[in-house]
Amino acid sequence: EVQLVESGGGVVQPGGSLRLSCVVSGFIFSDYSMNWVRQAPGKGLEWISYISGGSTTRYYADSIKGRFSISRDNVKNSLILQMNNLRDEDTAVYFCARDRVGTYIDYWGQGTLVTVSS
Amino acid sequence: HSVLTQPPSVSSAPGQKVTISCSGSSSNIGKNFISWYQQLPGTAPKLLIYDNNKRPSGIPDRFSGSKSGTSGTLDITGLQTGDEADYYCGTWDSSLRGLVFGGGTKLTVL
Repeated sequence: EVQLVESGGGVVQPGGSLRLSCVVSGFIFSDYSMNWVRQAPGKGLEWISYISGGSTTRYYADSIKGRFSISRDNVKNSLILQMNNLRDEDTAVYFCARDRVGTYIDYWGQGTLVTVSS
Repeated sequence: HSVLTQPPSVSSAPGQKVTISCSGSSSNIGKNFISWYQQLPGTAPKLLIYDNNKRPSGIPDRFSGSKSGTSGTLDITGLQTGDEADYYCGTWDSSLRGLVFGGGTKLTVL
């Protein structure tokens, strides 16, 4: 059974940092590209980052470029999102999501809530 | 605002059919496959349709998708109260180099 479990969310002040993790199981992690997608309270889905299976390709949404960094550890089956210089508008549930051929997501984690507030 | 355009809400009666539209451009839907996701209240999104019209295992054939040019549609037939959810379309945008989603459509089954 494919499972994706995020952790690391919490409350942080504007300008602060947070590191999200997603541990996966049930599939060969290195064979798949991965994404982070977020959802602000009461709002729609917003894709924010992509990483290929071997970490050779990474993409970022303009809204987080230069502040967030995606990485992965294929030995530990984990996906990471390092978030720096956080802003109020980064408040959202962050989902880890398995990519399929770059055009759709077939599995989603349950999400972890990040709240940026002073 | 979202790159892909969906109606904010649709509604229909149990047993009836509803269609949700998704409009994009030549850099996204015009070039790439559409996918559709269902998000029940308080849960993570779930894949409903991929590659325009394919259903993952376990998705009933009441859900179907299609694409024409730079637009796509999701049809749901035999509506059930359990279908009340938010529905999102998505695809890859070749210019933005990222996944893009519609703003979501809230389905109400009256």
